[in-house]
Amino acid sequence: GENVEQHPSTLSVQEGDSAVIKCTYSDSASNYFPWYKQELGKGPQLIIDIRSNVGEKKDQRIAVTLNKTAKHFSLHITETQPEDSAVYFCAASKRRYNNNDMRFGAGTRLTVKP
Amino acid sequence: EAQVTQNPRYLITVTGKKLTVTCSQNMNHEYMSWYRQDPGLGLRQIYYSMNVEVTDKGDVPEGYKVSRKEKRNFPLILESPSPNQTSLYFCASRSSGGFLAEKLFFGSGTQLSVL
Repeated sequence: GENVEQHPSTLSVQEGDSAVIKCTYSDSASNYFPWYKQELGKGPQLIIDIRSNVGEKKDQRIAVTLNKTAKHFSLHITETQPEDSAVYFCAASKRRYNNNDMRFGAGTRLTVKP
Repeated sequence: EAQVTQNPRYLITVTGKKLTVTCSQNMNHEYMSWYRQDPGLGLRQIYYSMNVEVTDKGDVPEGYKVSRKEKRNFPLILESPSPNQTSLYFCASRSSGGFLAEKLFFGSGTQLSVL
């Protein structure tokens, strides 16, 4: 089955700096890669996703890149703000819709220091 | 407001005492799922349900039961809890139709401690 590895496990940055979280996956058939953000005391929430036919996707201060050959994808947050502090999970699935096979990474705790 | 509601938020119990964690969604979603979150292991799927009366095992189903008698409810049952089931549990749901069937909606979590 799919195995998703996520690094680093913790990340601390100064407000205004950029943050990068990296994930690798094992199943070359995976083609859908979402990122979820979990704020303290809440459940994870989808923030951005990318499909395998796209190399990069941006949404304001966040972007995700995908390298299918190397089987890794990354989350980039620019101009970080204290409200970006959270646990971030990457995931991989062979299907974008009805993704019962989705597997999550171990999570990255991001702390943005004011 | 569209939401997934889990109860209780916190639960402390003793080994062997049966318990149920409830999950309810108000979005008419066909698919519902349970995850456990442990440090260093991320989110691991316990059980999922594609629709009423249709359930299937995830990656870590041992020691858990589920039922799906109604579309909105998907309770997680621990018949004889053990300390290794101490964890943070999340219920999630999503639609099964077309482009809506990609995004998971999570509840706020249930922190379970088994002594």
